[in-house]
Amino acid sequence: DGGITQSPKYLFRKEGQNVTLSCEQNLNHDAMYWYRQDPGQGLRLIYYSQIVNDFQKGDIAEGYSVSREKKESFPLTVTSAQKNPTAFYLCASSESGANVLTFGAGSRLTVL
Amino acid sequence: SQQGEEDPQALSIQEGENATMNCSYKTSINNLQWYRQNSGRGLVHLILIRSNEREKHSGRLRVTLDTSKKSSSLLITASRAADTASYFCATTFKAAGNKLTFGGGTRVLVKP
Repeated sequence: DGGITQSPKYLFRKEGQNVTLSCEQNLNHDAMYWYRQDPGQGLRLIYYSQIVNDFQKGDIAEGYSVSREKKESFPLTVTSAQKNPTAFYLCASSESGANVLTFGAGSRLTVL
Repeated sequence: SQQGEEDPQALSIQEGENATMNCSYKTSINNLQWYRQNSGRGLVHLILIRSNEREKHSGRLRVTLDTSKKSSSLLITASRAADTASYFCATTFKAAGNKLTFGGGTRVLVKP
């Protein structure tokens, strides 16, 4: 089945640690996105990539980093510079030139 | 903020009743989409309506768009307990390319 796989589903981190969230898609989509969702809130765009080896900052990129070395993969690193990282993180993808998103199941990060 | 805003924030109805939620936005859009999110899961695309369309249907879903009022509505007819979820509108603004901006969502509870 085609889709987006995010891992891990749950992640706990101590303050000061970097963590990397994985996002893999087998939909052959060119564009990939990372969103952050806080409880009872909408989604805010962290980073997006429209093509391999290229990515752009979204609305809340500070404290996060990404890479896009392969079309299928768009990992997100939450760095120690992110002051309030506890949130639900959603990865999505779309076909080139379109903006209908297919989402993964999400990763919930909790900072202890 | 160019973010869409949903109204109401929460809605509780009996099974079989209709559910209506609204989305307002601030600037000219390319298109508007509605997504559903079950608790703790990723979002699922429901329907897309283009700026030159006024109404679209998909199964029990009816979406309207009034660009003069900068608003859209999502109607779920004959609701079922399985419709319990959060519903988000997402807009693509003409000045922002293909980037999607999400509203804060409407939480719908359908009681059996």
